[in-house]
Amino acid sequence: DTAVSQTPKYLVTQMGNDKSIKCEQNLGHDTMYWYKQDSKKFLKIMFSYNNKELIINETVPNRFSPKSPDKAHLNLHINSLELGDSAVYFCASSRGQATAFFGQGTRLTVV
Amino acid sequence: DAKTTQPPSMDCAEGRAANLPCNHSTISGNEYVYWYRQIHSQGPQYIIHGLKNNETNEMASLIITEDRKSSTLILPHATLRDTAVYYCIVRVPVYNQGGKLIFGQGTELSVKP
Repeated sequence: DTAVSQTPKYLVTQMGNDKSIKCEQNLGHDTMYWYKQDSKKFLKIMFSYNNKELIINETVPNRFSPKSPDKAHLNLHINSLELGDSAVYFCASSRGQATAFFGQGTRLTVV
Repeated sequence: DAKTTQPPSMDCAEGRAANLPCNHSTISGNEYVYWYRQIHSQGPQYIIHGLKNNETNEMASLIITEDRKSSTLILPHATLRDTAVYYCIVRVPVYNQGGKLIFGQGTELSVKP
Protein backbone atom coordinates (compact mmCIF):
# COMPACT_ATOMS: atom_id res chain seq x y z
CA ASP A 1 0.00 0.00 0.00
CA THR A 2 1.39 3.37 -1.02
CA ALA A 3 1.44 5.76 1.93
CA VAL A 4 1.26 9.03 0.00
CA SER A 5 0.00 8.70 -3.55
CA GLN A 6 -0.30 11.32 -6.26
CA THR A 7 -2.08 11.23 -9.58
CA PRO A 8 -1.22 11.63 -12.32
CA LYS A 9 2.49 10.84 -12.32
CA TYR A 10 3.02 12.74 -15.56
CA LEU A 11 0.98 15.60 -16.94
CA VAL A 12 1.60 17.36 -20.24
CA THR A 13 -0.67 20.24 -21.11
CA GLN A 14 -0.86 23.43 -23.12
CA MET A 15 -0.46 26.95 -21.83
CA GLY A 16 -3.68 28.48 -20.60
CA ASN A 17 -5.28 25.19 -19.58
CA ASP A 18 -6.58 24.38 -16.10
CA LYS A 19 -5.39 21.17 -14.47
CA SER A 20 -5.56 19.35 -11.14
CA ILE A 21 -3.19 17.06 -9.28
CA LYS A 22 -4.62 14.77 -6.63
CA CYS A 23 -2.96 13.57 -3.44
CA GLU A 24 -4.13 10.99 -0.94
CA GLN A 25 -2.47 9.65 2.19
CA ASN A 26 -3.47 6.55 4.14
CA LEU A 27 -1.22 7.21 7.13
CA GLY A 28 -3.86 8.86 9.30
CA HIS A 29 -1.88 12.12 9.27
CA ASP A 30 -3.52 15.44 9.97
CA THR A 31 -1.17 17.70 8.01
CA MET A 32 -0.55 17.71 4.27
CA TYR A 33 1.77 19.73 2.08
CA TRP A 34 2.55 20.63 -1.50
CA TYR A 35 6.17 21.20 -2.53
CA LYS A 36 7.50 22.29 -5.91
CA GLN A 37 10.82 21.18 -7.40
CA ASP A 38 11.95 23.37 -10.26
CA SER A 39 14.37 22.65 -13.09
CA LYS A 40 17.32 23.55 -10.84
CA LYS A 41 16.17 20.84 -8.42
CA PHE A 42 15.32 23.23 -5.60
CA LEU A 43 12.47 21.93 -3.45
CA LYS A 44 10.26 24.61 -1.96
CA ILE A 45 7.11 24.44 0.10
CA MET A 46 3.97 25.90 -1.46
CA PHE A 47 1.11 25.09 0.90
CA SER A 48 0.33 23.26 4.08
CA TYR A 49 -3.02 22.18 5.50
CA ASN A 50 -3.70 21.00 9.01
CA ASN A 51 -7.07 19.36 9.63
CA LYS A 52 -8.32 20.83 6.35
CA GLU A 53 -7.27 24.34 7.38
CA LEU A 54 -4.67 26.29 5.40
CA ILE A 55 -1.68 27.09 7.63
CA ILE A 56 1.09 27.83 5.12
CA ASN A 57 0.81 29.75 1.86
CA GLU A 58 4.25 30.62 0.56
CA THR A 59 3.48 33.53 -1.75
CA VAL A 60 2.20 31.27 -4.48
CA PRO A 61 0.28 32.88 -7.38
CA ASN A 62 -3.48 32.90 -7.03
CA ARG A 63 -3.68 30.59 -10.03
CA PHE A 64 -2.70 27.81 -7.63
CA SER A 65 -5.50 26.76 -5.31
CA PRO A 66 -5.22 23.84 -2.94
CA LYS A 67 -8.35 22.08 -1.81
CA SER A 68 -8.65 19.66 1.09
CA PRO A 69 -12.00 17.84 1.07
CA ASP A 70 -10.92 15.78 4.10
CA LYS A 71 -7.80 15.12 6.14
CA ALA A 72 -6.64 12.35 3.81
CA HIS A 73 -6.74 14.38 0.61
CA LEU A 74 -5.07 17.56 -0.60
CA ASN A 75 -5.60 18.41 -4.25
CA LEU A 76 -3.83 21.13 -6.20
CA HIS A 77 -5.71 23.04 -8.87
CA ILE A 78 -3.81 25.22 -11.29
CA ASN A 79 -5.57 27.71 -13.55
CA SER A 80 -4.24 29.35 -16.71
CA LEU A 81 -1.08 27.29 -16.80
CA GLU A 82 2.15 29.04 -17.78
CA LEU A 83 5.43 27.69 -19.11
CA GLY A 84 7.09 28.53 -15.79
CA ASP A 85 4.76 26.18 -13.97
CA SER A 86 6.62 23.24 -15.45
CA ALA A 87 8.14 21.39 -12.50
CA VAL A 88 7.77 18.32 -10.34
CA TYR A 89 5.15 18.74 -7.64
CA PHE A 90 5.40 16.66 -4.48
CA CYS A 91 2.70 16.02 -1.95
CA ALA A 92 3.67 15.15 1.62
CA SER A 93 1.96 14.45 4.93
CA SER A 94 2.82 14.36 8.61
CA ARG A 95 1.24 13.98 12.00
CA GLY A 96 1.55 17.52 13.29
CA GLN A 97 5.21 18.44 13.57
CA ALA A 98 6.42 14.88 13.19
CA THR A 99 8.30 13.50 10.21
CA ALA A 100 6.86 14.28 6.78
CA PHE A 101 6.54 11.55 4.16
CA PHE A 102 6.51 12.38 0.48
CA GLY A 103 4.71 11.03 -2.54
CA GLN A 104 6.48 10.07 -5.74
CA GLY A 105 5.79 13.36 -7.48
CA THR A 106 3.87 14.63 -10.48
CA ARG A 107 5.95 15.89 -13.38
CA LEU A 108 4.04 18.75 -14.99
CA THR A 109 5.14 19.93 -18.41
CA VAL A 110 3.47 22.98 -19.92
CA VAL A 111 3.98 23.39 -23.67
CA ASP B 1 16.39 31.17 1.95
CA ALA B 2 17.92 27.80 2.80
CA LYS B 3 19.29 27.61 6.32
CA THR B 4 21.85 24.89 5.64
CA THR B 5 25.10 24.60 3.68
CA GLN B 6 26.32 21.33 2.19
CA PRO B 7 29.07 20.39 -0.27
CA PRO B 8 27.51 20.03 -3.73
CA SER B 9 28.96 16.58 -4.37
CA MET B 10 30.88 13.73 -2.79
CA ASP B 11 32.18 10.34 -3.84
CA CYS B 12 32.34 7.23 -1.70
CA ALA B 13 33.67 3.74 -2.35
CA GLU B 14 31.16 0.93 -2.03
CA GLY B 15 31.33 -0.71 1.39
CA ARG B 16 32.98 2.28 3.02
CA ALA B 17 31.36 4.78 5.35
CA ALA B 18 29.94 7.91 3.77
CA ASN B 19 30.20 11.00 5.96
CA LEU B 20 28.06 13.88 4.74
CA PRO B 21 28.63 17.22 6.49
CA CYS B 22 26.12 20.01 6.97
CA ASN B 23 26.44 23.51 8.37
CA HIS B 24 23.41 25.10 10.04
CA SER B 25 25.00 27.91 12.04
CA THR B 26 21.79 29.96 12.39
CA ILE B 27 19.64 27.14 13.76
CA SER B 28 17.25 28.08 16.55
CA GLY B 29 16.75 26.18 19.78
CA ASN B 30 13.47 24.53 18.76
CA GLU B 31 14.46 23.63 15.21
CA TYR B 32 15.24 20.04 14.35
CA VAL B 33 17.85 18.84 11.87
CA TYR B 34 16.37 16.44 9.34
CA TRP B 35 18.05 14.40 6.62
CA TYR B 36 16.24 13.25 3.53
CA ARG B 37 17.53 11.79 0.32
CA GLN B 38 16.19 11.84 -3.20
CA ILE B 39 17.03 9.05 -5.56
CA HIS B 40 16.70 10.10 -9.16
CA SER B 41 13.09 10.85 -10.18
CA GLN B 42 11.65 9.72 -6.84
CA GLY B 43 10.13 11.58 -3.92
CA PRO B 44 12.31 12.64 -0.98
CA GLN B 45 12.85 9.77 1.45
CA TYR B 46 13.17 10.38 5.18
CA ILE B 47 16.43 9.15 6.72
CA ILE B 48 16.85 10.47 10.26
CA HIS B 49 16.40 13.54 12.43
CA GLY B 50 17.62 14.97 15.72
CA LEU B 51 17.47 17.98 18.00
CA LYS B 52 20.72 17.91 19.96
CA ASN B 53 21.61 14.31 20.75
CA ASN B 54 23.24 11.91 18.34
CA GLU B 55 20.78 9.53 16.73
CA THR B 56 21.04 6.16 15.02
CA ASN B 57 18.56 4.06 13.11
CA GLU B 58 18.71 1.20 10.64
CA MET B 59 19.66 3.52 7.81
CA ALA B 60 22.19 5.93 9.25
CA SER B 61 23.67 7.81 12.20
CA LEU B 62 23.38 11.52 12.85
CA ILE B 63 26.08 13.34 14.77
CA ILE B 64 25.20 16.86 15.92
CA THR B 65 27.88 19.13 17.38
CA GLU B 66 27.42 20.40 20.90
CA ASP B 67 26.76 23.96 19.71
CA ARG B 68 24.29 22.54 17.12
CA LYS B 69 25.85 24.60 14.36
CA SER B 70 26.76 21.59 12.25
CA SER B 71 26.00 17.92 11.85
CA THR B 72 27.21 14.85 9.96
CA LEU B 73 25.15 12.08 8.43
CA ILE B 74 26.95 8.75 8.42
CA LEU B 75 26.01 5.87 6.15
CA PRO B 76 28.12 3.13 7.72
CA HIS B 77 28.45 0.82 4.71
CA ALA B 78 27.49 2.63 1.54
CA THR B 79 26.06 0.62 -1.35
CA LEU B 80 25.42 1.57 -4.96
CA ARG B 81 21.75 2.05 -4.07
CA ASP B 82 22.73 4.86 -1.73
CA THR B 83 23.65 7.04 -4.70
CA ALA B 84 21.30 10.01 -4.35
CA VAL B 85 21.04 13.68 -3.43
CA TYR B 86 21.14 14.04 0.35
CA TYR B 87 19.39 17.02 1.91
CA CYS B 88 20.19 18.40 5.32
CA ILE B 89 17.14 20.35 6.42
CA VAL B 90 16.19 22.58 9.29
CA ARG B 91 12.60 21.95 10.18
CA VAL B 92 10.75 25.05 11.25
CA PRO B 93 7.66 24.43 13.41
CA VAL B 94 4.61 26.39 12.30
CA TYR B 95 2.05 27.54 14.86
CA ASN B 96 2.53 24.21 16.65
CA GLN B 97 0.76 22.55 13.75
CA GLY B 98 2.90 20.79 11.20
CA GLY B 99 6.25 22.13 10.12
CA LYS B 100 8.03 23.61 7.16
CA LEU B 101 11.00 21.85 5.60
CA ILE B 102 13.49 24.30 4.11
CA PHE B 103 15.52 22.42 1.52
CA GLY B 104 18.96 23.56 0.43
CA GLN B 105 20.88 22.42 -2.61
CA GLY B 106 21.85 19.09 -1.08
CA THR B 107 24.89 16.89 -1.61
CA GLU B 108 24.98 14.59 -4.60
CA LEU B 109 26.56 11.41 -3.28
CA SER B 110 27.99 8.99 -5.81
CA VAL B 111 28.84 5.56 -4.49
CA LYS B 112 31.35 3.87 -6.76
CA PRO B 113 32.22 0.16 -7.02
